[in-house]
Amino acid sequence: EVQLVESGGGLIQPGGSLRLSCAASGFTVSSNYMSWVRQAPGKGLEWVSVIYSGGSTYYADSVKGRFTISRDNSKNTLYLQMNSLRAEDTAVYYCAGVDTDHGKFDYWGQGTLVTVSS
Amino acid sequence: DIQMTQSPSSLSASVGDRVTITCQASQDISNYLNWYQQKPGKAPKLLIYDASNLETGVPSRFSGSGSGTDFTFTISSLQPEDIATYYCQQYDNLFTFGPGTKVDIK
Repeated sequence: EVQLVESGGGLIQPGGSLRLSCAASGFTVSSNYMSWVRQAPGKGLEWVSVIYSGGSTYYADSVKGRFTISRDNSKNTLYLQMNSLRAEDTAVYYCAGVDTDHGKFDYWGQGTLVTVSS
Repeated sequence: DIQMTQSPSSLSASVGDRVTITCQASQDISNYLNWYQQKPGKAPKLLIYDASNLETGVPSRFSGSGSGTDFTFTISSLQPEDIATYYCQQYDNLFTFGPGTKVDIK
């Protein structure tokens, strides 16, 4: 059974940094596309970032230059380093496993809430 | 960047009704379009991939069609457990989700 478990969310002041983690089991992070998707309170889904199996990384314009996606193959864990956080980054952050052939987000974690507020 | 729009943004229908949601891409995305269901407090669930393929285990009352820029998602007979928000998602150029359509019971 595939499980993705996010951690690292919390309350952070504007301008601060936070690192989210997503520990995978039953699923190999390095062999798949892995992505972060966020959802602001009461709003829709927003794609944030992806890391391909080959290591290429891509970002939504809204986070480019501030967020960094990475993975630790030995720990089978995905990360999202978030710097220069803004109030508009407040959201539930989901990690997801993405099917490489059909671009479908097959597997999702339970989400971790990030609140950016003073 | 590819932009996605959905209509309507919300709808109310009776149990047993046929429900249709449309999704439009800002440019041709072939059939690189997936549909998800999200219930409150839960992660999204994949229903349809590549515009018209039913994900394993998903009830057959859900279906999708379309290609290019215009896509349709249909629930043939709305059930109480279908109350949720539905999102389209393109993967022709990175990934973009539509704004969502909230479905509830009349």
